[in-house]
Amino acid sequence: GQQLNQSPQSMFIQEGEDVSMNCTSSSIFNTWLWYKQDPGEGPVLLIALYKAGELTSNGRLTAQFGITRKDSFLNISASIPSDVGIYFCAGLLFKAAGNKLTFGGGTRVLVKP
Amino acid sequence: DSGVTQTPKHLITATGQRVTLRCSPRSGDLSVYWYQQSLDQGLQFLIQYYNGEERAKGNILERFSAQQFPDLHSELNLSSLELGDSALYFCASSSRGDTQYFGPGTRLTVL
Repeated sequence: GQQLNQSPQSMFIQEGEDVSMNCTSSSIFNTWLWYKQDPGEGPVLLIALYKAGELTSNGRLTAQFGITRKDSFLNISASIPSDVGIYFCAGLLFKAAGNKLTFGGGTRVLVKP
Repeated sequence: DSGVTQTPKHLITATGQRVTLRCSPRSGDLSVYWYQQSLDQGLQFLIQYYNGEERAKGNILERFSAQQFPDLHSELNLSSLELGDSALYFCASSSRGDTQYFGPGTRLTVL
């Protein structure tokens, strides 16, 4: 089945830093989604990307749908403490039998002590 | 607020028991998805329903079942519970099978 490799698995941020994470796959996707999950809460949709090459921003967040349709990245600019959490990428493949959403393993964003 | 509601928020039960988790999708969404997330793990897709019919199955155990009712709410039934079934269970909904919006989850603890 399709696998999504999300990296890094975890990262430490210092307030004001820019951070970046990405997802890669051996297969193409029709849509890329980025979610953030706080502990004990449901994933919250941050950005949805629908076309190859698309670059979309949502406040301090910017994400791109790779031109090959096999990868996507998410950037957070000028990080703040509330950016801490787990970020998941998800690739959506349209199928006649039912669209399939595959999640990456997540990037855990932590604050530098 | 995603518009997806789930009840209960917390559930504590014993091994061997059966529980039912409930999900109401966003207004107008026909698709409902169920996911399991164990501690510090990713999201495992269990099952999808579309307008009352099962559409796709993931890694769902035979002890688990789901259904979607005419009013589009969905229930996930977990039976013969084991300690390893303790997890967060999320429901998500979508309108056209694309972007999924997640509910707040039900935390199941099996003692």
